[in-house]
Amino acid sequence: EAGVTQFPSHSVIEKGQTVTLRCDPISGHDNLYWYRRVMGKEIKFLLHFVKESKQDESGMPNNRFLAERTGGTYSTLKVQPAELEDSGVYFCASSQPGGRTIYFGEGSWLTVV
Amino acid sequence: GDSVTQMEGPVTLSEEAFLTINCTYTATGYPSLFWYVQYPGEGLQLLLKATKADDKGSNKGFEATYRKETTSFHLEKGSVQVSDSAVYFCATGNEKLTFGTGTRLTIIP
Repeated sequence: EAGVTQFPSHSVIEKGQTVTLRCDPISGHDNLYWYRRVMGKEIKFLLHFVKESKQDESGMPNNRFLAERTGGTYSTLKVQPAELEDSGVYFCASSQPGGRTIYFGEGSWLTVV
Repeated sequence: GDSVTQMEGPVTLSEEAFLTINCTYTATGYPSLFWYVQYPGEGLQLLLKATKADDKGSNKGFEATYRKETTSFHLEKGSVQVSDSAVYFCATGNEKLTFGTGTRLTIIP
């Protein structure tokens, strides 16, 4: 069974540009999460989808970040315009309905220069 | 809100040494506890978990016991290998995880 897959694995963009990260959760997982780790700090929650609905977006840092999950399958996280402090690794994760184990992808490493 | 305090690194040990990485948490309700590991150049992998008090999670020779009385979930391994070199993250939560800052572990031959 395929795990959580993320694309791109690495991205280098200039300040002010736009980047879109994609996440494909494990098949059948209604719950989809985005997390990020910036500057070697702790991994922080960004938001949680249940199917196509945003259950909790309390961790989204500001309105430059937009997450979508149309159709309740894959999700995208867009950063527009990107700032230097957005550099870090963005993790996507998924879990089954009512599941207590959250499975993470390999992360999308973003560098803003 | 929930919080996790994790032993700061970096930690450097010789092969076959005993490992302990401390983790304490504060949380409401009855959260699950997890240890995730990130090997160099790879993503986060679930190492082990415990879902209720006194549960012991174990995997790849690593163990951690959910201690509600001390709000701890310390990671231990009796004999580490070079291949265990990685960053280890303690986490708590159910629907939404709260992570510690991570502990970088380096094992030297």
